[in-house]
Amino acid sequence: DAMVIQNPRYQVTQFGKPVTLSCSQTLNHNVMYWYQQKSSQAPKLLFHYYDKDFNNEADTPDNFQSRRPNTSFCFLDIRSPGLGDAAMYLCATSRAGGTNEKLFFGSGTQLSVL
Amino acid sequence: EDQVTQSPEALRLQEGESSSLNCSYTVSGLRGLFWYRQDPGKGPEFLFTLYSAGEEKEKERLKATLTKKESFLHITAPKPEDSATYLCAVGKTTDSWGKFQFGAGTQVVVTP
Repeated sequence: DAMVIQNPRYQVTQFGKPVTLSCSQTLNHNVMYWYQQKSSQAPKLLFHYYDKDFNNEADTPDNFQSRRPNTSFCFLDIRSPGLGDAAMYLCATSRAGGTNEKLFFGSGTQLSVL
Repeated sequence: EDQVTQSPEALRLQEGESSSLNCSYTVSGLRGLFWYRQDPGKGPEFLFTLYSAGEEKEKERLKATLTKKESFLHITAPKPEDSATYLCAVGKTTDSWGKFQFGAGTQVVVTP
């Protein structure tokens, strides 16, 4: 089945130690997103790619960066994780230009910072 | 300031006890309102899209409605498998396609 796959499901890192989360998709969607979701809170958009065009949200900390080397893969890099960065990170995709803007989400990566 | 507010925060239902969840929004120019279901430890799963006031969508025991200021998700005769967090998301006409603001969700627990 076509899907959005995130690895790893659980990631533990140390304070200040760089970490990379990965996302792949077999849907051939041209838009990919990274959301941060803390417990009992709304998912918060960090950035998204429209094809190769990178769109950063104004309030996304500089500590967060992203790469999209090709249509299928997208990475989230956290350069120096702080305790406040512990959260679920959700990758999502959508097909721009379609009749429905619905997002397809992966299962997320739960990040813990020690 | 644009806001998306969901109520209640949590809802506990007996199996078969129908209820409604609310999503109120204050955005200038609604492009669409979306409902998602999120199970614990998983990503949200799309349920419905509503575009204009008066529109209704149904799927099994769920029915979503939209007015100019809010949307309701009605759960009719819920079963334990309907237990999940239900999120609404709003797209604004002034935002780029595919960009949304999510509410914090309503956590629904249905007991047998």
